Amino acid sequence: DSGVTQTPKHLITATGQRVTLRCSPRSGDLSVYWYQQSLDQGLQFLIQYYNGEERAKGNILERFSAQQFPDLHSELNLSSLELGDSALYFCASSPHPGTVDNSPLHFGNGTRLTVT
Amino acid sequence: GQSLEQPSEVTAVEGAIVQMNCTYQTSGFYGLSWYQQHDGGAPTFLSYNALDGLEETGRFSSFLSRSDSYGYLLLQELQMKDSASYFCAVRNRDDKIIFGKGTRLHILP
Repeated sequence: DSGVTQTPKHLITATGQRVTLRCSPRSGDLSVYWYQQSLDQGLQFLIQYYNGEERAKGNILERFSAQQFPDLHSELNLSSLELGDSALYFCASSPHPGTVDNSPLHFGNGTRLTVT
Repeated sequence: GQSLEQPSEVTAVEGAIVQMNCTYQTSGFYGLSWYQQHDGGAPTFLSYNALDGLEETGRFSSFLSRSDSYGYLLLQELQMKDSASYFCAVRNRDDKIIFGKGTRLHILP
């Protein structure tokens, strides 16, 4: 158990809808990362937060947004969903931003999103 | 741009040794990491190299050559449970952690 909690585990929704994915980092971790993994694809970096502030941004679509709250949990919001958004969405956490130290990422078990 | 290249699949025999390569191109470099992911599971951290050379942790070893922008993961005494996908990842100067597409390791009995 990595200590990172993601909910829900599975989500099935229709095109055009909006969903929210939730992540609670490991106790003591201040950095949260979001990744998207499509079938047989690598982990596509979406966005990183550190202590409530956006730290780095990857190939995140404008239809997607995220935030990290004062209690350090994070939410990833996906709107105007398309079939191609179907994927496994992972959250990971680490104690610090990487340029402070190089602590490994600890991943949650992911949320599997299916858009029909 | 930045990219990491890994072979898509590797097949090896139980008990043998396998090497999985990773070449990278990135803006700034703060180290190469390796993660293991079983089907349907979460990626888990295996090793990290910031400096050139070999790091060993049990049956797993990881190598880095910064001048060649190249690294590899070596697995010894392969077991069936090692069947998984293996991802290399780099952290760049923008603090993004970028992953390769992964190498799927098949192990034959």
